[in-house]
Amino acid sequence: SYELIQPPSVSVSPGQTASITCSGDKLGDKYACWYRQKPGQSPVLVIYQDNKRPSGIPERFSGSNSGNTATLTISGTQAMDEADYYCQAWDSSTVVFGGGTKLTVL
Amino acid sequence: EVQLVESGGDLVQPGGSLRLSCAASGFTFSTYDMHWVRQTTGKGLEWVSAIGTAGDTYYPGSVKGRFTISRENAKNSLYLQMNSLRAGDTAVYYCARDPGGVTGWYFDLWGRGTLVTVSS
Repeated sequence: SYELIQPPSVSVSPGQTASITCSGDKLGDKYACWYRQKPGQSPVLVIYQDNKRPSGIPERFSGSNSGNTATLTISGTQAMDEADYYCQAWDSSTVVFGGGTKLTVL
Repeated sequence: EVQLVESGGDLVQPGGSLRLSCAASGFTFSTYDMHWVRQTTGKGLEWVSAIGTAGDTYYPGSVKGRFTISRENAKNSLYLQMNSLRAGDTAVYYCARDPGGVTGWYFDLWGRGTLVTVSS
């Protein structure tokens, strides 16, 4: 079965750029999306179709997807961005999530 | 207001059954594919099922044959019938809206979730 691998944790200083990766076999051939989940809350879509932002998501969130890796980039990271982030892809009528990355803003 | 509201979560014994419901409002429910996604406490997300606008259904191997997704467009409602429940099915179950269509599945609206606990 298809798998998506994320680092368990990423740390970033306020105002710096955070990059969270998501790896999967030929992931660049599929669309990837990203969700943010804060404690006690439901997931929120922050990037879809590799690099599109839903309305209401700040411009500091961007995405890319090529080869075997999709990347979520948060520029000028703020304390409010501290959360768990999950990548997701679709393969053969199956939805696959990455294991999630805890982003800590130190 | 555009929202999804799940209900029906409960404590159930192993081998038992449960039916979850999801009430949609604020959008044209019948035009969207819909999904169930679950999350175990402190763990990651797991896709549980999908239903297309035409009623076509999809499941991962972990629940296929035990869970059944259905929808009732006239009532703007989504359902998940869960049978032969196991301890590993214990999780918060989310209802999620999928606007992706032919471009693939992703979820732009989530409910707040309903807790299912399978334990004796």
